[in-house]
Order: sequence, then C-alpha cells, then structure tokens
Amino acid sequence: EAGVTQFPSHSVIEKGQTVTLRCDPISGHDNLYWYRRVMGKEIKFLLHFVKESKQDESGMPNNRFLAERTGGTYSTLKVQPAELEDSGVYFCASSQGRGLGTEAFFGQGTRLTVV
Amino acid sequence: ELKVEQNPLFLSMQEGKNYTIYCNYSTTSDRLYWYRQDPGKSLESLFVLLSNGAVKQEGRLMASLDTKARLSTLHITAAVHDLSATYFCAVGDPGTASKLTFGTGTRLQVTL
Repeated sequence: EAGVTQFPSHSVIEKGQTVTLRCDPISGHDNLYWYRRVMGKEIKFLLHFVKESKQDESGMPNNRFLAERTGGTYSTLKVQPAELEDSGVYFCASSQGRGLGTEAFFGQGTRLTVV
Repeated sequence: ELKVEQNPLFLSMQEGKNYTIYCNYSTTSDRLYWYRQDPGKSLESLFVLLSNGAVKQEGRLMASLDTKARLSTLHITAAVHDLSATYFCAVGDPGTASKLTFGTGTRLQVTL
C-alpha cells in the first residue's frame, strides 16, 4: 500500500514568487492534514480537511497560504507571494478515522527555501 | 493553548547505554503519540498512548504516560546506532478530534 506522497521534495524559490505543494494521501483516508516545521522550531499544525471540506484552518499563518482538496483526494498548498519566513519543511498527513488512537501517517515532507 | 515541551533537544549517547527523553504538556489530553524521523524521511509512528499509566514497548524503546503529571517518557535501553534519529512527541489537542501539537523533537545520536 502506498504511503502519503508529497512533491516536490525540495523547492527553492525567490521571495515574491508562488509555490504550490502537493500531497497525495493514502487511498481511502478522508482526513488530510498539513503541518510545517520552521527551522529549529516545533512542527505546527496548519489545517485539516475532511474529504474536500476544511474542518479546521486555525493554524494557517495568513492569507498568502491557500489550501485546496479537490474532490476529496489530493491536496495542494499554495504560497503566494512567498516570504523568507515561509521557509521550512511542510508535512502532509492522512488518517482514516478521528477517534482515540487513530494514527496519522505522514509524508516525507517538502523542504521549501525562500531566498 | 496547549504547549508541549520536550527535552533534551539533542542527545549524544554511546551504544549500550540507557537514556530517557521527556515530554511535558500543559493541558489535559486524551492521547499522546511518539514519532521517529530519519533525515529526509517521513515521521514514523512509534507509539500511541491513550490512558494514564499506559506503557508500550517495542524493541529497545519503551514509552509511558502519566496523565496526572502530564508527562510522557521514551526510554531507550542499551542503545544501538540504528536508533539514531529525531524523536517527536505529539499531544492531541483537547476539544478537537485530530489536531496534534508537537514537541520540538529530540535529535538522538548513538555513537560507537
């Protein structure tokens, strides 16, 4: 069974440019999450989809970030325009349920560097 | 707001030695997870702890949870080089079904 897949694995862009990250969750997982880790800091929650609906987007830092999940399958996270402080590793995770003990499976992350 | 503190941030230990990583959290939660991350790889789930006094063991790793003290520990017994990785604890946010708050991670380096 394929795991959570993210691409690109690395992206280097200039300040002011746009970048789109993609996440393919495990097939059949309704729940999809985005997290990010800024250098040296903890991994922070960005948002949570249930199928195509945004369940919780309380962690989105500002309106330069736009997440979508068309048809409840893969998700994209667009940063426009990118700023230096957006650099970090963006993780996607998916899970089948949301009850106690539900495990979220993580992708390998996309390392974004804004220069 | 839930806060999760993990220490130490970095741990260098010799093979064969024992050590413990600590994870403290600030508010009541009903679930705690431990993850392992190798460089450039995904976070791999190690343990899910759901109740006070829960103890789980897998190989040389043992995790425990004390919900009254809001403390979880990850104990490493007789470390081997293959355990070198970054370890994260993550606590389920109360009142939400799924959001996790992570600790800063502990980078473990096991030397010969």
